[in-house]
Amino acid sequence: DIQMTQSPSSLSASVGDRVTITCRASQSISSYLNWYQQKPGKAPKLLIYAASSLQSGVPSRFSGSGSGTDFTLTISSLQPEDFATYYCQQSYSTPPVTFGQGTRLEIK
Amino acid sequence: EVQLVESGGGLVKPGGSLRLSCAASGFTFSSYSMNWVRQAPGKGLEWVSSISSSSSYIYYADSVKGRFTISRDNAKNSLYLQMNSLRAEDTAVYYCARDPGGIVATIPHFDYWGQGTLVTVSS
Repeated sequence: DIQMTQSPSSLSASVGDRVTITCRASQSISSYLNWYQQKPGKAPKLLIYAASSLQSGVPSRFSGSGSGTDFTLTISSLQPEDFATYYCQQSYSTPPVTFGQGTRLEIK
Repeated sequence: EVQLVESGGGLVKPGGSLRLSCAASGFTFSSYSMNWVRQAPGKGLEWVSSISSSSSYIYYADSVKGRFTISRDNAKNSLYLQMNSLRAEDTAVYYCARDPGGIVATIPHFDYWGQGTLVTVSS
């Protein structure tokens, strides 16, 4: 199975900050990488698919990049509603689909 | 509006069974692959099972293989997960999620999720 490792596991930032979350795959997954946001008690929400494609309705301050084994999710200017947990997911070698362990983004 | 609504969760004893349902609306259910994803309390996301649009392809995580069965009824716009021989480690919120990968000619991903249903396995 392909292992997905996110860093950092948690992050404190302020409104207006630029934030980057990294996801690394245990082997090359081309661009088969998706990003989700989850708020407490809610279902995950798709932000980015295929490494860099912005899901419809998601604000443009979210962006994704990378290919192969290394990927990043960037929030250009943090808004109060962005404080949540973020997960990467690979869909290159399935089954199984695998998720990263999550990155918790907290208010500083 | 796309909606996925799970039901069927609850408290069950170890070794017991439960059947989860996911009612879909707002899209052509029969055209999409569907998935179950779970999240144990305070933990991350774990993919459980997937089923293709016509039920031709079915896959399971190793952790549930042989105990869980995914199925769908396209006439009823519904997805199911039959869970047998339940264990304490199956305790989680179970989400159904839609995969549009085969529709929009892109990679598999989960674009819509239900609100989840909680399964608690405890004596």
